Formats: sequence, C-alpha cells, structure tokens
Amino acid sequence: DAGVIQSPRHEVTEMGQEVTLRCKPISGHNSLFWYRQTMMRGLELLIYFNNNVPIDDSGMPEDRFSAKMPNASFSTLKIQPSEPRDSAVYFCASNHQRVGGYTFGSGTRLTVV
Amino acid sequence: AQSVAQPEDQVNVAEGNPLTVKCTYSVSGNPYLFWYVQYPNRGLQFLLKYITGDNLVKGSYGFEAEFNKSQTSFHLKKPSALVSDSALYFCAVRELIKAAGNKLTFGGGTRVLVKP
Repeated sequence: DAGVIQSPRHEVTEMGQEVTLRCKPISGHNSLFWYRQTMMRGLELLIYFNNNVPIDDSGMPEDRFSAKMPNASFSTLKIQPSEPRDSAVYFCASNHQRVGGYTFGSGTRLTVV
Repeated sequence: AQSVAQPEDQVNVAEGNPLTVKCTYSVSGNPYLFWYVQYPNRGLQFLLKYITGDNLVKGSYGFEAEFNKSQTSFHLKKPSALVSDSALYFCAVRELIKAAGNKLTFGGGTRVLVKP
C-alpha cells in the first residue's frame, strides 16, 4: 500500500498564478480530506468528500479556492489566483467512513512569492 | 459541535522521564478519540485511538492514552521518553452521531521536546 500520495511535494509560484495540488487516496477509502497547516492557524480542515461528493466546504477560505474529486482515486485543490498568504503546507488525508482514523499524505509545501 | 483542547503549546522532558501530553474534548454524544504525531517535514502519523472498551489504549512507539469520560480527557503518555519522541502531537475527536459525518476535529497541537 503506497499510502496517500500528494504531488508536488514543493511548489513555489508567483502571486497571481494558478496552483493545482493533487492527491491520490488509499484504494478503498471513501472519504477524502484537504487540510492546510500554518504556524499561525495550525491545522485547518478546508473541505472533505464522501464517495466523491463534497460534504463540508465551510473551511475553504474564499472563492479563490476550489476542490474537485472526479473519481475515487483522485482529487485536486486549486487556488486561482494565488496570494502570498496562501503559503502553507497542504495535506490530503483519506479514510473509510466506518473506520475512525485518517491516513495523511506527506503534504505539499506551497510558497507564493 | 465537537472540539478539542490541548492546553500546552510545548512540553519539555528529560530523556528517560515520563511524558504526558494533555487533551480534553467536547462532544454531544460518544466520542472516537485519536492521537497523531508529526515529525518535521512529514505528514501526521496515527498513534492510537479509543473507540470503546478498555479505557487504557496502547499504541505505536510505546505510547498509551487513557480515556476519562468524567473528565472528558484523553491524555497521551509514555513511561520513558526518548529524544526521538521530539515532535508535534495532535489530539483529535470524532463524534459518533450521523450529523457529525466523518469529520475529525483536531486540537492545536503540542510540541514535545525531549532533551538528552
């Protein structure tokens, strides 16, 4: 089992550019979560999906952020346009709804300059 | 609504001494409780969980946690800390009601520093 796979590991982009973060959950897991981690705000849940359907996106900061899950094995988090305050580590996690805990990916460290 | 509090931003302990990381929670019903550890530049790793049954649960790397319903606490413990235990620790709760969905709520994290 390769675990939750995120790409890229690091992303540096200029303010105003579009950024797309990718996540492949563990096969068989039917829930997927996107988190953002910063020193100031800690770990924040942005959005989560059950069976590819967005359930709770109340943590998405603003309209510049969007997330999709076109199938059970792939999800994207897009920021357009990006801003320096979006700089953070973005984590994807997955689990099976009947099982409590999550498995986290290694994260994408985003730097917007 | 479910919530988790980790009252200590940082815990310092000497190697070989007992380690305790505190966590309290708030839920309407029965909780699932979890501990995760995060090493530098890594994702969160599962340590242990409480679902039901014995209040003392054992997890990875010699860690254990005790569920205390009356105090709504789930403190993480290790009898003898190692320098390699230095990391960021997160407590999390999931409420066992349908309305809560599948969402874990995380505490703010506690940084543990074990000194040689």
